[in-house]
Amino acid sequence: KAGVTQTPRYLIKTRGQQVTLSCSPISGHRSVSWYQQTPGQGLQFLFEYFSETQRNKGNFPGRFSGRQFSNSRSEMNVSTLELGDSALYLCASSLGTGGANYGYTFGSGTRLTVV
Amino acid sequence: AQSVTQLDSQVPVFEEAPVELRCNYSSSVSVYLFWYVQYPNQGLQLLLKYLSGSTLVESINGFEAEFNKSQTSFHLRKPSVHISDTAEYFCAVSGSGGYQKVTFGTGTKLQVIP
Repeated sequence: KAGVTQTPRYLIKTRGQQVTLSCSPISGHRSVSWYQQTPGQGLQFLFEYFSETQRNKGNFPGRFSGRQFSNSRSEMNVSTLELGDSALYLCASSLGTGGANYGYTFGSGTRLTVV
Repeated sequence: AQSVTQLDSQVPVFEEAPVELRCNYSSSVSVYLFWYVQYPNQGLQLLLKYLSGSTLVESINGFEAEFNKSQTSFHLRKPSVHISDTAEYFCAVSGSGGYQKVTFGTGTKLQVIP
C-alpha cells in the first residue's frame, strides 16, 4: 500500500513568487491536512480538506490556500512568498475527518526555502 | 481549544537505560491523545494513540504511554532504549468527535548515547 506522496521534496523560490505543493493521500483516505513545521514554531496547522471541502483552517494569512480534488489529492498554494515561509510543509492523510479518530499518516514533506 | 506542553526539548539517555518523555495537555472537552515520532528528513509516524478504554497504550516497538486524566498527562515511556530510538517525539491532542483539529506539542528530541 503506497504511503502519502508529497511533491516536490525540495523547492527554492524567490521572495514574491508563488508556489504550489502537491499531496497524494493513501488510497481510500478522504481527509488531507496540511502542517507547516519550523524549528521555532513547531507544527502549525494550516487547513484540512475532506471530500473536497475545507473543514478546518488554522491561523495563517490568506496567502496560504488549498484545495482538494475528487480523487482526494490535494494542493496547497502560497502566494507572494516571504522569507518567513521557509519551512517543511507536511501533508497528512486520514481515513476520517482530521487525525482525531484514526491518527494521521504523514508524507515526507516538501522543504521550501525562500531566498 | 486545547494545548499541549512537552516540558523537555531534549532528552539524552544512555543505550539500554529507561526513558520518560513528558507531555501535559489542556482541554475543556474529552480528548484523544497521540504520540508521533519523526526521524531525520522524514515525516511524522504515529507511534500510539489513546481514544478510550484502557488508559495504558502500547506501541509495537516497546514504547507505552499512560493517560492520566487527573494529571492531564500522557507521558511516553520505554524501559530500555536502543540507538535506533534516536528521533524527535511529538505529543498531540484533539477533542473527541468530528472535525476536530489536532494540536501538536513542540517536540522532544531523544538522543540515545552508545
